[in-house]
Amino acid sequence: QTVVTQEPSLTVSPGGTVTLTCASSTGAVTSGYHPNWFQQKAGQAPRALIYETSNRHSWTPARFSGSLLGGKAALTLSGVQPEDEAEYYCLLYYGGGAPVFGGGTKLTVL
Amino acid sequence: QVQLQESGPGLVKPSETLSLTCTVSGYSISSGFHWGWIRQPPGQGLEWIGSIYHTGSTYYKPSLKSRVTISVDTSKNQFSLKVSSVTAADTAVYYCARVPSAGQQPVRADYWGQGTLVTVSS
Repeated sequence: QTVVTQEPSLTVSPGGTVTLTCASSTGAVTSGYHPNWFQQKAGQAPRALIYETSNRHSWTPARFSGSLLGGKAALTLSGVQPEDEAEYYCLLYYGGGAPVFGGGTKLTVL
Repeated sequence: QVQLQESGPGLVKPSETLSLTCTVSGYSISSGFHWGWIRQPPGQGLEWIGSIYHTGSTYYKPSLKSRVTISVDTSKNQFSLKVSSVTAADTAVYYCARVPSAGQQPVRADYWGQGTLVTVSS
């Protein structure tokens, strides 16, 4: 069974920079896994942030960026705002018709 | 602007079938894309259930495939989810979403519904 692993929790100061990662139990994450990132605030539906590794949606603030880093997919938040406090999920596609979500990272802005 | 809205019973008895519908506005389902379902048990993470291509081809998470059916009604611009033989483990917020593809494979979700809580209990 394929497992996608994220940091359970991270803390960042307002104005700071933080990088969240997304690892695959099958090995290095590449662009072929079509990495995606989502933000979910408490009580709300998830919102798509990044698709195909590094592409922002039209609604995604420029302080969010996606990349591949050390064999993982990565989401970097620069100039973190208090409203960025949320759960962040990555999504990878392995074939077989159903992508797999990571367990999520709870980001605290403190 | 693409909008999706889930509807259906909020309470289902164990062993029965869960049925939900997603109504899409701002985009015609028959024009393209996959259309999918994702769920989230209370206090837990997201789980991809499956999707249907606008042509009617379906793609399911392997571990759920035996109990899940996704269908589409292009005349109503809706797609639906059925999960049979439900247990308490199927209690979750269910989201519908538009699912862009790569090589006709469902690889992500961009527009999401607000979600609907379905509780499995007698």
